[in-house]
Amino acid sequence: KNEVEQSPQNLTAQEGEFITINCSYSVGISALHWLQQHPGGGIVSLFMLSSGKKKHGRLIATINIQEKHSSLHITASHPRDSAVYICAVLHSGGGADGLTFGKGTHLIIQP
Amino acid sequence: DTGVSQNPRHKITKRGQNVTFRCDPISEHNRLYWYRQTLGQGPEFLTYFQNEAQLEKSRLLSDRFSAERPKGSFSTLEIQRTEQGDSAMYLCASSPNRGPNSPLHFGNGTRLTVT
Repeated sequence: KNEVEQSPQNLTAQEGEFITINCSYSVGISALHWLQQHPGGGIVSLFMLSSGKKKHGRLIATINIQEKHSSLHITASHPRDSAVYICAVLHSGGGADGLTFGKGTHLIIQP
Repeated sequence: DTGVSQNPRHKITKRGQNVTFRCDPISEHNRLYWYRQTLGQGPEFLTYFQNEAQLEKSRLLSDRFSAERPKGSFSTLEIQRTEQGDSAMYLCASSPNRGPNSPLHFGNGTRLTVT
């Protein structure tokens, strides 16, 4: 079983829909990252969370440490939001060995 | 733009050849990470530098792989005697040393194809 599980693996939605991507993890963490990867490979860091909720524009990220679960929400989705969204966790006390990544959620927003 | 820069963007090589990739991190970042990403998978940790010291290596990093960061600035990742299974995207990321919640900045990656 992967330490970081994302769902769904693939999501196709219509422009304007509210999008939720989920991430569950099985280890103690000190931080959780949500990343966006466009075709061609470049990765952009969207959020880094250790508790609570963060909002940036149309994006909202939440984390529940007790339940070991995080969600990424996109409001008023747009075709330019189409990308792979990756959840990654930083293990508690294991900051030197980098992040453990989920496999990503491939999001397509149709006009 | 002073983000993380990786070169080359693409590399096609024949099996058995050696390849070297370069990563230039953001200038004030003293942490540098290398990751490998195969098609349809999330990135996997390869190795990590704090300044010039290589502090962690993944078991994925066989003896054909070596990474350096000689002056604590740019880093190189070399793969010797490449195999078809080495075909992947190689990603570099850097961060300032502000503890576990330091933000990560990724480069655009080097896509390696071994024929």
